[in-house]
Amino acid sequence: DAGVIQSPRHEVTEMGQEVTLRCKPISGHNSLFWYRQTMMRGLELLIYFNNNVPIDDSGMPEDRFSAKMPNASFSTLKIQPSEPRDSAVYFCASSHGLHYEQYFGPGTRLTVT
Amino acid sequence: AQRVTQPEKLLSVFKGAPVELKCNYSYSGSPELFWYVQYSRQRLQLLLRHISRESIKGFTADLNKGETSFHLKKPFAQEEDSAMYYCALSGDSSASKIIFGSGTRLSIRP
Repeated sequence: DAGVIQSPRHEVTEMGQEVTLRCKPISGHNSLFWYRQTMMRGLELLIYFNNNVPIDDSGMPEDRFSAKMPNASFSTLKIQPSEPRDSAVYFCASSHGLHYEQYFGPGTRLTVT
Repeated sequence: AQRVTQPEKLLSVFKGAPVELKCNYSYSGSPELFWYVQYSRQRLQLLLRHISRESIKGFTADLNKGETSFHLKKPFAQEEDSAMYYCALSGDSSASKIIFGSGTRLSIRP
């Protein structure tokens, strides 16, 4: 298994543009998490899904952020419109359940200019 | 409410010196505690969990319920230990998600 797959690995965009980050969890895992990592705030949980259903999106910073999981093998995190303060590394992680070890993807480094 | 506190953003020690990364938690039940590590240019990955009671790469961590702490320790630091370390907590319900601390960057000086 290739592990959790994220794309793109790097994204540079201009302020105001829409950004879509993609994640493919490990096959068989039924929980998926989106995190944001910055120097100032460390690792922040944005949203998580269990069996494709969003369980808690209280970490999503603003309405500009949205996430979907249309099926067990794919999830997206969208930022529209993007702002420079959204620049960060965004991680996706999956696990067998909410309570279990999480397996992280390589992350997407987003730069908004 | 669940909370994980890592008071140090950065910890710098000399090679061969002892290392202790602090982690304190807040949880009313019986939590499960983890340490995750992120080496440069690598994925965040699980280092150890308290229920395993094992030593990984020379690191150990003991759950102290009285002090609500789960500090990560290693008697002799090595340069390859330089990384970002996150303490994490999961509650005792099957519906509990894992909560991460803000992380400590460990830098080992030669």
